[in-house]
Amino acid sequence: EVQLVESGGGLVQPGRSLRLSCAASGFTFDDYAMHWVRQAPGKGLEWVSGISWNSGSIGYADSVKGRFTISRDNAKNSLYLQMNSLRAEDTALYYCAKAEQWLEPFDYWGQGTLVTVSS
Amino acid sequence: DIQMTQSPSTLSASVGDRVTITCRASQSISSWLAWYQQKPGKAPKLLIYKASSLESGVPSRFSGSGSGTEFTLTISSLQPDDFATYYCQQYNSYFFGGGTKVEIK
Repeated sequence: EVQLVESGGGLVQPGRSLRLSCAASGFTFDDYAMHWVRQAPGKGLEWVSGISWNSGSIGYADSVKGRFTISRDNAKNSLYLQMNSLRAEDTALYYCAKAEQWLEPFDYWGQGTLVTVSS
Repeated sequence: DIQMTQSPSTLSASVGDRVTITCRASQSISSWLAWYQQKPGKAPKLLIYKASSLESGVPSRFSGSGSGTEFTLTISSLQPDDFATYYCQQYNSYFFGGGTKVEIK
């Protein structure tokens, strides 16, 4: 059974940093692309960032480009999102999601980790 | 950037109704469109990919159609479990539509 478990969320002050993790199990992690998607309270879905199986393709939403960095450790079956210079508008539930390939839809999602940016 | 516009934003319907949700792309995306269902407090679930292909395990009352810039998600006979919010996504650059909430009439 595919499982994606996010962690690392919490309350952080504006301008500070946070690192999210996603632990994957139930599939061969290094065969698949992975993504981060966020959802602000009461709002819709926003794609944040994605990474191909071998980290050869990486993409970011304009809203986070230059501040967030996605990475993966295939040996640890883990996906990461380093978030720097956090802003109030980054407050959201952050989901980790799996895709069959780069430029494919997201077939499995985790339950999310909440990031709150506030002073 | 390719923008995705869904309509309506809210839809009130009854059990048994045929429901159609529309998603329009600001430029052609061929058939690179997916539909997701999200229930309150839950992660989204993939329903349809490549505009009209049904994800494994998804009931056949869900169907998708369209290509280019206009797409539809149809629920042929709305069931109690279908009251949720639905999102389209173009996966050339991963943008989502704004969502359509399907409410009980």
